[in-house]
Amino acid sequence: GAVVSQHPSWVICKSGTSVKIECRSLDFQATTMFWYRQFPKQSLMLMATSNEGSKATYEQGVEKDKFLINHASLTLSTLTVTSAHPEDSSFYICSASHGTGRSMSYEQYFGPGTRLTVT
Amino acid sequence: GQNIDQPTEMTATEGAIVQINCTYQTSGFNGLFWYQQHAGEAPTFLSYNVLDGLEEKGRFSSFLSRSKGYSYLLLKELQMKDSASYLCAVLDSNYQLIWGAGTKLIIKP
Repeated sequence: GAVVSQHPSWVICKSGTSVKIECRSLDFQATTMFWYRQFPKQSLMLMATSNEGSKATYEQGVEKDKFLINHASLTLSTLTVTSAHPEDSSFYICSASHGTGRSMSYEQYFGPGTRLTVT
Repeated sequence: GQNIDQPTEMTATEGAIVQINCTYQTSGFNGLFWYQQHAGEAPTFLSYNVLDGLEEKGRFSSFLSRSKGYSYLLLKELQMKDSASYLCAVLDSNYQLIWGAGTKLIIKP
């Protein structure tokens, strides 16, 4: 159980275009979803946290108008990179948790990641 | 502020044992997670500790001392496939997961 899917797994786009990445929890309801970015040989960087039906909470330094997050249901969150530029090329990973009550339920289940290349 | 420290990189030999340490200073504590991440892949869950002591799961064990703000991940009978980054993360008082920078483990034959 606790499977998270992400689509697409990789995408190449031209500079100035927008890209949408989907994150789905397949067999559980995710109260919270997280979006991370990871550059080569660097650690995970949390971009934003989203709860279903409410606005995402962005980490300091992450532009909310550039990285649009929608969490429309308990099983789906989307990240849209608007007006992408080559410096946005990275590995984007989503995770989901059904954290309520016991601390172990705050475990984050990760999607397989999306590799974005902006040319 | 909140801080989690892990060594940046470690090297070990196939078949040996390695211990990866993690120290933390966070606002509250609701448990500590260890994740494994192979290059180019997403992290996968290894262990969760919330009480002091050692949790053993096959070749991997995780230890926690809350009074010392310290944990370690112990990997036994190392295999080449264990070459990966190992991430320590602490659940703070707000149930936010605070991540360490990860330890890159290199296994040599």
